[in-house]
Amino acid sequence: GQQLNQSPQSMFIQEGEDVSMNCTSSSIFNTWLWYKQDPGEGPVLLIALYKAGELTSNGRLTAQFGITRKDSFLNISASIPSDVGIYFCAVRKTSYDKVIFGPGTSLSVIP
Amino acid sequence: NAGVMQNPRHLVRRRGQEARLRCSPMKGHSHVYWYRQLPEEGLKFMVYLQKENIIDESGMPKERFSAEFPKEGPSILRIQQVVRGDSAAYFCASSPPGDRPEAFFGQGTRLTVV
Repeated sequence: GQQLNQSPQSMFIQEGEDVSMNCTSSSIFNTWLWYKQDPGEGPVLLIALYKAGELTSNGRLTAQFGITRKDSFLNISASIPSDVGIYFCAVRKTSYDKVIFGPGTSLSVIP
Repeated sequence: NAGVMQNPRHLVRRRGQEARLRCSPMKGHSHVYWYRQLPEEGLKFMVYLQKENIIDESGMPKERFSAEFPKEGPSILRIQQVVRGDSAAYFCASSPPGDRPEAFFGQGTRLTVV
């Protein structure tokens, strides 16, 4: 069954606003990944988190691995039109395990 | 370093035909994963392979679907006797051996069954 939940399901924001989205799980995972998917393309890895409590940035993106190892958030600062897409969180128990994806958060940016 | 290469990008098959989807992982990557995505939905895990071995096929339908990752050559996802419900985007991802758990995706193959 579905192990990951993402919220919100969709977001409509004005260009320049900051964005925050969340991912929670019912189980502990040791690796949390955030991907972005543009229409008609494959998911692109944005940020990888390996340690509980870890905070990692990639340009305007910041993600944190929750201390309980059951959640993570992704923040996007000063959004721009090219941020539009679907953002997926993904988890792995170990490096030799499958990657499990959340249902995604759809982001729309209004110019 | 080329990314994960999938071909074809688009594939049209009639009901009852076979579909073969190919995936060449990134150089140095020995782990391959296949996922299926229906429109407006997330990515559903199908199968995880290492060279010549199936590690986890818990997401694969029991019939008509098979996957392989031979010692030489690309990974192949094979769907026999396709039905309309098989129409979807199929994505392949690869990851390196060892402790780096990131998985990198190809651009996908969009299968349409008519």
